[in-house]
Amino acid sequence: SQKIEQNSEALNIQEGKTATLTCNYTNYSPAYLQWYRQDPGRGPVFLLLIRENEKEKRKERLKVTFDTTLKQSLFHITASQPADSATYLCALSSASKIIFGSGTRLSIRP
Amino acid sequence: DADVTQTPRNRITKTGKRIMLECSQTKGHDRMYWYRQDPGLGLRLIYYSFDVKDINKGEISDGYSVSRQAQAKFSLSLESAIPNQTALYFCATSDSGTRLRPDTQYFGPGTRLTVL
Repeated sequence: SQKIEQNSEALNIQEGKTATLTCNYTNYSPAYLQWYRQDPGRGPVFLLLIRENEKEKRKERLKVTFDTTLKQSLFHITASQPADSATYLCALSSASKIIFGSGTRLSIRP
Repeated sequence: DADVTQTPRNRITKTGKRIMLECSQTKGHDRMYWYRQDPGLGLRLIYYSFDVKDINKGEISDGYSVSRQAQAKFSLSLESAIPNQTALYFCATSDSGTRLRPDTQYFGPGTRLTVL
């Protein structure tokens, strides 16, 4: 069955460092991979989308890579700030189907 | 996202009661979704609708039903609530016509449901 794995353990990073989150998947060939941010008690918010034929996408301090051979996406936040603390979800989509990972909780300490 | 609203935001009910959660959107999107979120399990799709006459079961539809009353409204019902339906429920929308962001989901604020 299709499976998405994200770091189940929370990630604690010192402010100013680069945070790197991992999303691995199996038994799926997504056309797109998306990353969302979720704050406690709120709905997820879309951040970035990368297509299967793209290797990297950037938006301000965010960078996403997509390796369809390794079946892995990496999500980087450079110059991290305490305000970046949240849970980050990856989602795979193709045609009319989208599935979400369980998310990684990121904490940025001052 | 204020464009997607959910009511109620919190609900406590008893086993066996019928519950309806409502979702409205002003984004003009044709696709709407219901998810539940449980700690450690992430978001799981309950039902989705690509237009008013199109309803599809998701991963975990047992015990739930939906109604798409209009393009902007999609409600989720628990006919006879049970304690393991205690969860955070999210409604989401997406625009099928956007080539740049296919199936990008826009979520409501969520409904926290507790079944005693």
